[in-house]
Amino acid sequence: DGGITQSPKYLFRKEGQNVTLSCEQNLNHDAMYWYRQDPGQGLRLIYYSQIVNDFQKGDIAEGYSVSREKKESFPLTVTSAQKNPTAFYLCASSIGEGRGPGEQYFGPGTRLTVT
Amino acid sequence: AQSVTQPDIHITVSEGASLELRCNYSYGATPYLFWYVQSPGQGLQLLLKYFSGDTLVQGIKGFEAEFKRSQSSFNLRKPSVHWSDAAEYVCAVPRGDSGGYQKVTFGTGTKLQVIP
Repeated sequence: DGGITQSPKYLFRKEGQNVTLSCEQNLNHDAMYWYRQDPGQGLRLIYYSQIVNDFQKGDIAEGYSVSREKKESFPLTVTSAQKNPTAFYLCASSIGEGRGPGEQYFGPGTRLTVT
Repeated sequence: AQSVTQPDIHITVSEGASLELRCNYSYGATPYLFWYVQSPGQGLQLLLKYFSGDTLVQGIKGFEAEFKRSQSSFNLRKPSVHWSDAAEYVCAVPRGDSGGYQKVTFGTGTKLQVIP
């Protein structure tokens, strides 16, 4: 079955530690995205990548970093510089630029708690 | 800038009753429009989408939505709600910019509760 996997489902970290969230897709999609979801707010875009070895900042990139070394993988690192990292993080993918208006497929999410 | 408004944070309906969830958008041109459903602690699943053409769009799980340009709305409907429909429903509008339509503006969601 094609889809997006995110691991782990729950993640706990101490303040000041960097943490990396995994996202893998086997949909052969070119574009991948990271979102943050907080109660009462719409999804907010952190980073996105339209092609391997290239990525762009979204609306709330400060305190986060990403890499896109393989088409299938788009890990997100939450650094100690992120002031309020506790949130639900969602990874998504889409076919890519020029081939559709952004219909995105989502993974099950990772809930990160930093204390 | 594009925006999406879902005025109802929480809606409760009885099982078997009809449902309408509101979505209003602000966009300069004719928009693309999506509705997603999110179960607790899960990712989003696409219910339906509007790109162009027929303004009444059919989706999965018996849902439909109607695009009304004059009202800048894309309301989601279902004639008879099932208990399994309890979830959060999110309206979304892809943003057109130099990168195409890869960015999406999401509404804040409407949480649907279904009572027996």
